[in-house]
Amino acid sequence: GAVVSQHPSWVICKSGTSVKIECRSLDFQATTMFWYRQFPKQSLMLMATSNEGSKATYEQGVEKDKFLINHASLTLSTLTVTSAHPEDSSFYICSAIDRNQPQHFGDGTRLSIL
Amino acid sequence: AQSVTQLGSHVSVSEGALVLLRCNYSSSVPPYLFWYVQYPNQGLQLLLKYTSAATLVKGINGFEAEFKKSETSFHLTKPSAHMSDAAEYFCAVSRTGTASKLTFGTGTRLQVTL
Repeated sequence: GAVVSQHPSWVICKSGTSVKIECRSLDFQATTMFWYRQFPKQSLMLMATSNEGSKATYEQGVEKDKFLINHASLTLSTLTVTSAHPEDSSFYICSAIDRNQPQHFGDGTRLSIL
Repeated sequence: AQSVTQLGSHVSVSEGALVLLRCNYSSSVPPYLFWYVQYPNQGLQLLLKYTSAATLVKGINGFEAEFKKSETSFHLTKPSAHMSDAAEYFCAVSRTGTASKLTFGTGTRLQVTL
């Protein structure tokens, strides 16, 4: 079946650095990818919708300059957390759409900012 | 706008007992409804989806859900719980189809005891 790979699965970095998370669709072309954020014991909050070749659409309250999304190809979208601070620590999950099928989710990236 | 409400953030059942996880939706248009399961430190896996076809939807791992418009509900059930069912379960709604963005409920943690 369809597989979405997310990398890295876990990252720790110092405050002020930038972190890039990759989301790849391994066996299908994903015209649309989504980025979610999940706090401990809470639900997933949609951050942005990423369409190949165009600018991402951010949800209300999400800082587009803070969370840079690039969807350069039909199989890759990246989320860069710029100048990360401890409050950005969270579990980030991407998903991708294969034509008219439900979203396929990656295994998530746990980001810890010290 | 659409939303889902999951009643009970934590449900505990004995192995072999019936599993019932509750989800009520609110939508101004006929909804597309989903149940996802999340194991610790992983992404989400689709259990089943409702797309206005049969009201009783069968999913993977023995789970099923029934769409009841009169009750605006989409409860998830499994006749006999297994230890491996212990996980977080999310109900989600989409307004425009299986391939569009999702709004998630707050999740229900299922505990299965011996």
